[in-house]
Amino acid sequence: DAGVTQSPTHLIKTRGQQVTLRCSPISGHKSVSWYQQVLGQGPQFIFQYYEKEERGRGNFPDRFSARQFPNYSSELNVNALLLGDSALYLCASSLGGSTGNTIYFGEGSWLTVV
Amino acid sequence: AQSVTQLGSHVSVSEGALVLLRCNYSSSVPPYLFWYVQYPNQGLQLLLKYTSAATLVKGINGFEAEFKKSETSFHLTKPSAHMSDAAEYFCAVSEDTGRRALTFGSGTRLQVQP
Repeated sequence: DAGVTQSPTHLIKTRGQQVTLRCSPISGHKSVSWYQQVLGQGPQFIFQYYEKEERGRGNFPDRFSARQFPNYSSELNVNALLLGDSALYLCASSLGGSTGNTIYFGEGSWLTVV
Repeated sequence: AQSVTQLGSHVSVSEGALVLLRCNYSSSVPPYLFWYVQYPNQGLQLLLKYTSAATLVKGINGFEAEFKKSETSFHLTKPSAHMSDAAEYFCAVSEDTGRRALTFGSGTRLQVQP
């Protein structure tokens, strides 16, 4: 079975541009979360969506937004990119919205802002 | 608010030696606790999770962790290190609240010497 898939795997953007990252959850999983991992640090929670509704939001500016589609895939959008947005963006999926559900991570999208 | 502290950003052991990676957590409610492993340029893979069923949790690849409420700890151990265990290890905590997010520690890089 396919795991969590993310695209693109690597991308380079210029300051001020906008970026869209995509995620397909494991088949049957209805919850998708996004995390930002800056080099040398642990992942930081950005958003969680369950059944197409936002269920949680981390401490990130409004430049970050996300949505979940009817097929449970998700997009993360970041506007007005800053150099500090350079990071690995991880998507994770779980069966349901419960905290105890096992969360499975994708390989991530590496974003470099220059 | 929940938080995780991983003592030791780098741990080096000899092949065949005991692996001990330390994790202390802070949580206002009974927590769910997780250990993830991250190999270079990859996403996160779940090693094991604690969800209050048993205090000693066995995971994949011979790893286990013991939940000690009195010490607010969830240390990861493996009796005999293998070269393939070299990776970054992250402890994470989640509370059963509406936010449904994982809070990660800063990670411990495990080096295994031949």
